[in-house]
Amino acid sequence: EPEVTQTPSHQVTQMGQEVILRCVPISNHLYFYWYRQILGQKVEFLVSFYNNEISEKSEIFDDQFSVERPDGSNFTLKIRSTKLEDSAMYFCASSGQGMSNQPQHFGDGTRLSIL
Amino acid sequence: DQQVKQNSPSLSVQEGRISILNCDYTNSMFDYFLWYKKYPAEGPTFLISISSIKDKNEDGRFTVFLNKSAKHLSLHIVPSQPGDSAVYFCAARVTGNQFYFGTGTSLTVIP
Repeated sequence: EPEVTQTPSHQVTQMGQEVILRCVPISNHLYFYWYRQILGQKVEFLVSFYNNEISEKSEIFDDQFSVERPDGSNFTLKIRSTKLEDSAMYFCASSGQGMSNQPQHFGDGTRLSIL
Repeated sequence: DQQVKQNSPSLSVQEGRISILNCDYTNSMFDYFLWYKKYPAEGPTFLISISSIKDKNEDGRFTVFLNKSAKHLSLHIVPSQPGDSAVYFCAARVTGNQFYFGTGTSLTVIP
């Protein structure tokens, strides 16, 4: 069964540094998402991406965040100047075609630790 | 702003019995609801979903019930198996592509 893959599984970064989290969505999916889960808290929506542009974003997704689909397979989340509170699990997800009810398929996440 | 709430952080059930996980929501504009299961060190895995035009959807041992007037969603697992032990999240979507997740319920199925 096709799956969403995320790299790295764990990223340790100094505060203030830039970090790029990488995802390879399921190949025929058209919608891509990033979520984060701070330890002990709920999964929070960050952003959705369709047709090479952001379709929706939450209040969390401020100017320090950006997303990109640099080629036909990768989907990246960049955090420009990391803060301690950015430490969390970051999940990428993708879903199929159209706006019909399609479940999202998640990767196993990248644990981001900011020192 | 917790639009989706799972008020029980944990639940223990004997193997073979029914597990009932509950979820409440506040936004009457939600049109699609999902349940995900999550094991440690893995991402959420889709289990079952329901559109707001239905009140029940069944898939094998899993049934989701939607009560729109009460803004309540539940997941029934019967019979429960030890492999069902995981954290269960409910999620809901307003028309569009923004999904809201609950805080999760940790289910333990006791052999």
